[in-house]
Amino acid sequence: GQQVMQIPQYQHVQEGEDFTTYCNSSTTLSNIQWYKQRPGGHPVFLIQLVKSGEVKKQKRLTFQFGEAKKNSSLHITATQTTDVGTYFCAGNNNDMRFGAGTRLTVKP
Amino acid sequence: DAGVIQSPRHEVTEMGQEVTLRCKPISGHDYLFWYRQTMMRGLELLIYFNNNVPIDDSGMPEDRFSAKMPNASFSTLKIQPSEPRDSAVYFCASRTGGSTEAFFGQGTRLTVV
Repeated sequence: GQQVMQIPQYQHVQEGEDFTTYCNSSTTLSNIQWYKQRPGGHPVFLIQLVKSGEVKKQKRLTFQFGEAKKNSSLHITATQTTDVGTYFCAGNNNDMRFGAGTRLTVKP
Repeated sequence: DAGVIQSPRHEVTEMGQEVTLRCKPISGHDYLFWYRQTMMRGLELLIYFNNNVPIDDSGMPEDRFSAKMPNASFSTLKIQPSEPRDSAVYFCASRTGGSTEAFFGQGTRLTVV
């Protein structure tokens, strides 16, 4: 299956700062999904992007899918302590292989 | 629906023992995935099934690992014999169709001593 690379591995921010994580694939993806895993929890689906160049927003979260459908990003504006967790992308054909994830910590 | 149900939630076993992890997917879901999560290796796909048939088991570490799905409502992941390096959290996930959101179980935390 395809491999997706995710950066950065860790990100520590002050509450109120912005945060971005990036996901890259060497092959074109049919779609991409983003998940969030709280500490001690399980991954929970956030969103799916399907179209080239697609942008979706969920409150302070903005998701983008690249024009070539090989990369994606998740941007959080004005982080809050509730944003703490690990954010994963999954390049989604029929299998569902996850990137390494970006662990976000937020200092109050 | 109660969601994806995994059992046990925690398992501590001695090296060399057989371990069986269980998963009940959401009713109607035709895809089932097994993952292993560790700090070093992240969230690894071990195997996935479609309509109870194993499609890709290339992520299964070695012959000590085996997975079955005898029917649409039950799957097992077996490790025999277990080793300390198998210690991890094992997640099961299910979804309907090929490109929909996946629902994860609470996971089984396995410790092999």
